[in-house]
Amino acid sequence: QQQVKQSPQSLIVQKGGISIINCAYENTAFDYFPWYQQFPGKGPALLIAIRPDVSEKKEGRFTISFNKSAKQFSLHIMDSQPGDSATYFCAAPEGTGANNLFFGTGTRLTVIP
Amino acid sequence: NAGVTQTPKFQVLKTGQSMTLQCAQDMNHNSMYWYRQDPGMGLRLIYYSASEGTTDKGEVPNGYNVSRLNKREFSLRLESAAPSQTSVYFCASSEKEREFTGELFFGEGSRLTVL
Repeated sequence: QQQVKQSPQSLIVQKGGISIINCAYENTAFDYFPWYQQFPGKGPALLIAIRPDVSEKKEGRFTISFNKSAKQFSLHIMDSQPGDSATYFCAAPEGTGANNLFFGTGTRLTVIP
Repeated sequence: NAGVTQTPKFQVLKTGQSMTLQCAQDMNHNSMYWYRQDPGMGLRLIYYSASEGTTDKGEVPNGYNVSRLNKREFSLRLESAAPSQTSVYFCASSEKEREFTGELFFGEGSRLTVL
């Protein structure tokens, strides 16, 4: 069974700063690692995802970095904005070919104006 | 497009009562899921249905049953509710295309309180 360990539990960043959230996984069988963003009262929504054949993926201010040897992947939010304040979850599939996800415990990000 | 619709949005039950959470998606997705979200625990998979006619247990299936009524609908039933089932429940759906990268489409959640 895939396990993902996410840190930190909460994060406070000044507007314009860099937010960094980390995840570690155990099972090496995977096809992708997605990150989800959740606003209060809403369901999670896919933010960005990476496949294991690349070490980094960037979409706007959001970047995923992937370290296969350390079994870690991280989300970087550059130039953090108050509108980025949300809970972020990393996730991993149960195994190769699976489409059901195991989620991390979440990071509550607060960006202070 | 409504996406994934869950009903009810809020429900209060007494211990031992039963209820069914309904979920419907209009994206013609094959796979559907039920997760529960608890503070500090993240999202935990209860049951999923990879395709119409199939269901499988997730991480925390005890105390729940599911029915994949048709391709659109996937219901979650609590036969005898317990306070430990107080949670926010999310239904999700997905379609595993060739370049699938884990995109699940979630509903807005059903907040259940068991007294």
